[in-house]
Amino acid sequence: ELKVEQNPLFLSMQEGKNYTIYCNYSTTSDRLYWYRQDPGKSLESLFVLLSNGAVKQEGRLMASLDTKARLSTLHITAAVHDLSATYFCAGPDYGGSQGNLIFGKGTKLSVKP
Amino acid sequence: DSGVTQTPKHLITATGQRVTLRCSPRSGDLSVYWYQQSLDQGLQFLIQYYNGEERAKGNILERFSAQQFPDLHSELNLSSLELGDSALYFCASSVGPGMSTDTQYFGPGTRLTVL
Repeated sequence: ELKVEQNPLFLSMQEGKNYTIYCNYSTTSDRLYWYRQDPGKSLESLFVLLSNGAVKQEGRLMASLDTKARLSTLHITAAVHDLSATYFCAGPDYGGSQGNLIFGKGTKLSVKP
Repeated sequence: DSGVTQTPKHLITATGQRVTLRCSPRSGDLSVYWYQQSLDQGLQFLIQYYNGEERAKGNILERFSAQQFPDLHSELNLSSLELGDSALYFCASSVGPGMSTDTQYFGPGTRLTVL
């Protein structure tokens, strides 16, 4: 079964700073998903990365995928308070649950003024 | 708003009871997925239906069952409830049968509290 590990699990940032969240996964996968969850709310799809070297950007967030290293990163540029949330990466579990998503534990991001 | 609806939003019940959670997928989506989110286990895939048929099973207990109806809405039935079943239950939907590039869109969730 696919294992997905995120780090850090908790991240406290100051507004205006940059930081990166890392997502490592255990078996070969050709795609990776990033979701955002606000406290007590649903998961919102941020990015779908479909190939090695894929890079996607939306506002202050940029995600990339390196399938050879089994690594995806979510880079935050000039953080603002509105980015405070929990961020999950997820990969399809081809070997286990037929391609359904296996999620990391999430990175709880807190952006302070 | 993802277009996926779930009812009820909150459910409080006692141990040993049975409850039914309901999900309506986005218009045009044929797949429905159920996930459980708890503090100790994180987000776990339970079960998937595609166009009325069970497609994949994850870490779903035998006390839990689900079905997808002809109008594509889905119900998750939880029986003989235990304290440890308290969690947030999400439904997600996608266009295709899984193992594809489809994004899964999540509903608002049902928060189940078992007392």
